[in-house]
Amino acid sequence: AQSVAQPEDQVNVAEGNPLTVKCTYSVSGNPYLFWYVQYPNRGLQFLLKYITGDNLVKGSYGFEAEFNKSQTSFHLKKPSALVSDSALYFCAVRDMAAGSQGNLIFGKGTKLSVKP
Amino acid sequence: ETGVTQTPRHLVMGMTNKKSLKCEQHLGHNAMYWYKQSAKKPLELMFVYNFKEQTENNSVPSRFSPECPNSSHLFLHLHTLQPEDSALYLCASSQASGGFNEQFFGPGTRLTVL
Repeated sequence: AQSVAQPEDQVNVAEGNPLTVKCTYSVSGNPYLFWYVQYPNRGLQFLLKYITGDNLVKGSYGFEAEFNKSQTSFHLKKPSALVSDSALYFCAVRDMAAGSQGNLIFGKGTKLSVKP
Repeated sequence: ETGVTQTPRHLVMGMTNKKSLKCEQHLGHNAMYWYKQSAKKPLELMFVYNFKEQTENNSVPSRFSPECPNSSHLFLHLHTLQPEDSALYLCASSQASGGFNEQFFGPGTRLTVL
């Protein structure tokens, strides 16, 4: 079955420190991977995506993600966290199952809390 | 943030009421989506429309009835809902369906069913 997992419900980081939000996936074939962020009382906002090419993908607000095929992971990273990065982060993968419409499968989300 | 708008932002309804959620996108996209977001659960895809045609109904109960009159507007008609239907309902749009393009989300409608 196609799936995406975010193993951490919450990640706590001090401002200025690097942050990592983890995501692993299970799909058939080459994956199409996405990261979205949701601030309080807002909809999801697209951060970045991996389709093909360089394993390191750069996105909005200084975020980047590293695609690792052998570990089936797509972790979100930022070198220096800001308090304003505190939000809910969602990893998503395109459904590659035979007969599917290719819609996105979302993880359950990871709450990032950045303290001053 | 104004690319996809949703009204109302908050809705409280009884189980016997009929109400509708509205979504409008100003991005020139061809695909529109309804999602249900409940606390501590993954985002649940409900319906997908591509060029006004429904391409996905993810086993959604018939008390939820979508309508897509054109590529810019999407409605979700609600009737005889249950308390467990209380959630944040998100609308999204993308250039086309199929999972290749990023989706743009509205702010959501917070629905409470009494």
